[in-house]
Amino acid sequence: AQTVTQSQPEMSVQEAETVTLSCTYDTSESDYYLFWYKQPPSRQMILVIRQEAYKQQNATENRFSVNFQKAAKSFSLKISDSQLGDAAMYFCAYRSLTGTASKLTFGTGTRLQVTL
Amino acid sequence: DAGVIQSPRHEVTEMGQEVTLRCKPISGHNSLFWYRQTMMRGLELLIYFNNNVPIDDSGMPEDRFSAKMPNASFSTLKIQPSEPRDSAVYFCASSRLTAGTGELFFGEGSRLTVL
Repeated sequence: AQTVTQSQPEMSVQEAETVTLSCTYDTSESDYYLFWYKQPPSRQMILVIRQEAYKQQNATENRFSVNFQKAAKSFSLKISDSQLGDAAMYFCAYRSLTGTASKLTFGTGTRLQVTL
Repeated sequence: DAGVIQSPRHEVTEMGQEVTLRCKPISGHNSLFWYRQTMMRGLELLIYFNNNVPIDDSGMPEDRFSAKMPNASFSTLKIQPSEPRDSAVYFCASSRLTAGTGELFFGEGSRLTVL
């Protein structure tokens, strides 16, 4: 079974600074998706960024980018120019591409605080 | 397009009562997932359906929990009888069956409090 590990329960960053959230995963598969979801206090789960494992290029979405290291099974999220609205829980997630639609496996989350 | 719609948003009930949570997936999505979120256990998959058929219900805690998907546009998660330890936020999510972008789209969640 696949597992996702987020080793940082909490992180803090000053506004306008850069922060990196860590994620590692364990799988024997070669084709899969990786995601970062954001959960603000409203509790809505919002997709931040996705990465297909077959793509070598790291995904980027505006201020959000990932460092995907397939061999190391590492998938970190970098937030640049942090804003107050970035304060939330961030979940790393894995989804297999094998066969038909499969479940999303989540890490335990990292709570990000953004300070002035 | 409307997103995943869950009801109720909040439910407060007493131990022993039956609770029914409802979900309408995004039109055209044929995979549906029920997750439970608690502080202690994080986000856990309870059950998921492909084309209305349950594929994996290994996360359903016990016989008090049941889920149905009678058609492509509706699913229910029922707890009978409810217990205080069932208090949690229950999320419904949907996606396309084939690979696509792989993303799951989540509803706003139903917060259940069992007294």
